[in-house]
Amino acid sequence: QKEVEQNSGPLSVPEGAIASLNCTYSDRGSQSFFWYRQYSGKSPELIMFIYSNGDKEDGRFTAQLNKASQYVSLLIRDSQPSDSATYLCAVNPIFGTGTRLKVLA
Amino acid sequence: DTGVSQDPRHKITKRGQNVTFRCDPISEHNRLYWYRQTLGQGPEFLTYFQNEAQLEKSRLLSDRFSAERPKGSFSTLEIQRTEQGDSAMYLCASSPAGGPSNQPQHFGDGTRLSIL
Repeated sequence: QKEVEQNSGPLSVPEGAIASLNCTYSDRGSQSFFWYRQYSGKSPELIMFIYSNGDKEDGRFTAQLNKASQYVSLLIRDSQPSDSATYLCAVNPIFGTGTRLKVLA
Repeated sequence: DTGVSQDPRHKITKRGQNVTFRCDPISEHNRLYWYRQTLGQGPEFLTYFQNEAQLEKSRLLSDRFSAERPKGSFSTLEIQRTEQGDSAMYLCASSPAGGPSNQPQHFGDGTRLSIL
């Protein structure tokens, strides 16, 4: 049974801070890792994907992958209240339960 | 690119009835996924297709659930003899296939099922 684990939160950070979201997965053979954002009542939308060990940056977002530790993380720099949402880690096709992020103005 | 389309948006039915949902993926996407999501949980994988072939089905999926993608385009998900626990949002997603790595999924707006 493939599993993806996330802390459900909520994770509260002040506006302008760095939010760090973490995810672990069970299938050592996994090759594709995704972060989605889901606002309440909406469908998930893709933020980042990463296939190789290391960091991948896109604007305020950085995805980090460590296959040896089976660990994926998402950093959000300069957090904004509009970033408040649930962040879902996916190791295709399995999703974690999501971490709820609250950015406090 | 018109996005992933799901129909209906909402379905209310009595326990024991059968329901069918439809998903139209992005036209050039040959992978199609079905998920179920309840409040406070992440999307729960149900099944996925590559073209018309159903390649994977969750072991947790009851035999009351069946999905088809007969011509490799749209897909239907049928739930027979619905139960209260089937109340959820049913999400469809599509992605291109190709390469050793899976591609990002694009989600539809979902079908919300309520069982009375």
